[in-house]
Amino acid sequence: DAGVIQSPRHEVTEMGQEVTLRCKPISGHNSLFWYRQTMMRGLELLIYFNNNVPIDDSGMPEDRFSAKMPNASFSTLKIQPSEPRDSAVYFCASSDVGASGVYNEQFFGPGTRLTVL
Amino acid sequence: SQQGEEDPQALSIQEGENATMNCSYKTSINNLQWYRQNSGRGLVHLILIRSNEREKHSGRLRVTLDTSKKSSSLLITASRAADTASYFCASFRPYQGGSEKLVFGKGTKLTVNP
Repeated sequence: DAGVIQSPRHEVTEMGQEVTLRCKPISGHNSLFWYRQTMMRGLELLIYFNNNVPIDDSGMPEDRFSAKMPNASFSTLKIQPSEPRDSAVYFCASSDVGASGVYNEQFFGPGTRLTVL
Repeated sequence: SQQGEEDPQALSIQEGENATMNCSYKTSINNLQWYRQNSGRGLVHLILIRSNEREKHSGRLRVTLDTSKKSSSLLITASRAADTASYFCASFRPYQGGSEKLVFGKGTKLTVNP
């Protein structure tokens, strides 16, 4: 299994531009998570999906951020317009929900390092 | 804000020594997980302990959970330089609508000196 795949690995853009981050979860996993990590704020959960449905998006910082999961094998996180304070490493993770409804361990992708100038 | 809190924030030890990291949380949990992150990489799952378990082992790792004190500890025995990384605890808490909310701590940065 290739694990969780994220693209791009690095993104440098200018303030005001639209940024789209992509994630392919592990096949068979039914939950997907988007995180942001910075030195100042640590690891923050932005949003997570269960069976392609957003369950908790309370971590999404502003309306400039949006996430979609059109099918079980693909998700996007979009920032429009981007700002310098959005610079961070964005991680995607996937997991499966057990029969009891309890989440098991998460498998993280390598991350996308975003720099907004 | 993160509710899981690890301590210490940073820990430096010599190879061969044991390393103990603690995690505290504030609300009831279904399970608690420990993750490791090497610099510049994604997190890697280490061990999961359920709320009805008190101790779990995996190789040189030992995790305990005390739900009465709302705390967990991760012990790495006979540490190696390759154990140098940041370690995070994460807990799933019951959330609205029967779902669960995941909360990560800020991590403990462990340095093992050769």
